[in-house]
Amino acid sequence: QVQLVQSGAEVRKPGASVKVSCKASGYTFISHAIHWVRQAPGQRLEWMGWINAGTGNTEYSQKFQDRVTFTRDTSASTAYMELSNLRSEDTALYFCASGLAFDLWGQGTMVTVS
Amino acid sequence: EIVLTQSPDTLALSPGERATLSCRASQTVSSNFLAWYQQKPGQAPRLLIYGASSRATGIPDRFSGSGSGTDFTLTIARLEPEDSAVYYCQQYARSFRTFGQGTKVEIK
Repeated sequence: QVQLVQSGAEVRKPGASVKVSCKASGYTFISHAIHWVRQAPGQRLEWMGWINAGTGNTEYSQKFQDRVTFTRDTSASTAYMELSNLRSEDTALYFCASGLAFDLWGQGTMVTVS
Repeated sequence: EIVLTQSPDTLALSPGERATLSCRASQTVSSNFLAWYQQKPGQAPRLLIYGASSRATGIPDRFSGSGSGTDFTLTIARLEPEDSAVYYCQQYARSFRTFGQGTKVEIK
């Protein structure tokens, strides 16, 4: 079964960091990019960037460039998103997604900064 | 950055009616790399349409997409109660992806 499964909800204090995982199964992990999208409560979807799961190359939205790092572990078919220097505005549901158009999504990970 | 503007913000229609959602891009979306998603509360978005007009796997044929260049449309031919959701357009012509602000469809 083709799926992306994300890690569980996190609570952090302002200034801390959080690392969210996204485990792929049912397809060849290194053949597709993993994108990260977040959604603050009641707000629109916001693209954060992507990682080429094969090469590890990354591209970040300018908004997050100074605070976000994408990595991946090919042996575990898992991608990671780490966001540092958290503030209350980072409280959001974080999704990983794959596909040219995003036909595969993780279930989302709620990150609360308080 | 390609900015996508959706209209209207909210659409309230009765079951069986036709819904027409618009997405306008600030620049030409090359190769019509424009997608539509449906999102229900607490759920991940679901891909409905890609390439402006191709339905994703398992999507009912009452959903259709059209348009090119800078103007795109999602049409829901006969609304059903389960179509109540927020619909987003997204361009994937550039490596920097962008989403519209969403249109909320309410079923009366």
